[in-house]
Amino acid sequence: GDSVTQMEGPVTLSEEAFLTINCTYTATGYPSLFWYVQYPGEGLQLLLKATKADDKGSNKGFEATYRKETTSFHLEKGSVQVSDSAVYFCALTEAAGNKLTFGGGTRVLVKP
Amino acid sequence: GAVVSQHPSWVICKSGTSVKIECRSLDFQATTMFWYRQFPKQSLMLMATSNEGSKATYEQGVEKDKFLINHASLTLSTLTVTSAHPEDSSFYICSALALSASTDTQYFGPGTRLTVL
Repeated sequence: GDSVTQMEGPVTLSEEAFLTINCTYTATGYPSLFWYVQYPGEGLQLLLKATKADDKGSNKGFEATYRKETTSFHLEKGSVQVSDSAVYFCALTEAAGNKLTFGGGTRVLVKP
Repeated sequence: GAVVSQHPSWVICKSGTSVKIECRSLDFQATTMFWYRQFPKQSLMLMATSNEGSKATYEQGVEKDKFLINHASLTLSTLTVTSAHPEDSSFYICSALALSASTDTQYFGPGTRLTVL
């Protein structure tokens, strides 16, 4: 079945540091890929998505590129802020309207 | 756009009582909504898929008689935790599927924290 693996946290960074969160996936078809962010005490917010190979999703300074050859969708941000402290979830869906398969989540803590 | 609300945001109840949680898509219609459960510092676990006008599809291991789901309209799905017990205490999150020409995206509600005493 489908699965998503992302690096375990917590990841602790200083403000303005570069952030990378690795995400790899296993799927039988051609999934759509997502990054969601969860701030403390809140539900998930869609951060970015990509629907086909070589697509780059971007939002709020975050980027991720759909790499079919390496089955990866790594999340990057060049200069993090304290407000980026949250849990980040990588996810995929195989087909339109289907359920999401989530990775385990990566907690990121940005210190001033 | 694509806002999903949940009500209540938190609830405390006594063991043995039932609790209803509402999930609404505010600015779009959703034929499909999903209910998740999240334990502290863990990922989301899909409980069931709620389809408007039909019975919900439950994931393996989820008791359908305990977690009643009703998708009464294109903007509202409800989850009722019946005869709640302390082990049902958790963070319940719903999502609504927004259909588009290019891809389908799930938009999540803010979650409901249930504490059963």
